[in-house]
Amino acid sequence: GAGVSQSPSNKVTEKGKDVELRCDPISGHTALYWYRQSLGQGLEFLIYFQGNSAPDKSGLPSDRFSAERTGGSVSTLTIQRTQQEDSAVYLCASSLAQGARETQYFGPGTRLLVL
Amino acid sequence: AQKVTQAQTEISVVEKEDVTLDCVYETRDTTYYLFWYKQPPSGELVFLIRRNSFDEQNEISGRYSWNFQKSTSSFNFTITASQVVDSAVYFCALSSNFGNEKLTFGTGTRLTIIP
Repeated sequence: GAGVSQSPSNKVTEKGKDVELRCDPISGHTALYWYRQSLGQGLEFLIYFQGNSAPDKSGLPSDRFSAERTGGSVSTLTIQRTQQEDSAVYLCASSLAQGARETQYFGPGTRLLVL
Repeated sequence: AQKVTQAQTEISVVEKEDVTLDCVYETRDTTYYLFWYKQPPSGELVFLIRRNSFDEQNEISGRYSWNFQKSTSSFNFTITASQVVDSAVYFCALSSNFGNEKLTFGTGTRLTIIP
């Protein structure tokens, strides 16, 4: 079956521009997570959705970052006024249900480079 | 706070040797879940195993085995008769209700199998 998909796979943008990253979770998965992987910070949690609501936004690094999920499926992570420190791989994961015991399955990531 | 420590940054072994990747964790929760993921050069995080805090049985899957010891807060991963395809970065991760169900990752161990 299809796994988690993310688009674009690579994105190069200029400092100050806005970017949108998209995640399609595994069909039927109700929970969706965004993480960021960078050289200096490792793998860090950004935000989590259960259905269309985001109970935990604690990991968003600044108010330039926002995310939404519509129809309990596709999610978009938006970074406004990008900065060079936003350069990283943005990973999306989904799990069948909410809960710490649920296994999260990851997509291939979007590699973002801010020039 | 939750924390996962993978003290081994990089390991290199010759093909067919056995290798153990260490993982030590900290959590205040009594119910928690431990995971191992593999990240090959392609970049996608691949789920390997999930273990809950009440199940200390060691697990073996082919050439892979996991040793969970609550007394030392460790969840170590051993690859027997290593192969070149095992070369990857391996991440240990922890989730719990206290941690709001997100995954807390270690910094990863880069494993290189030398042919």
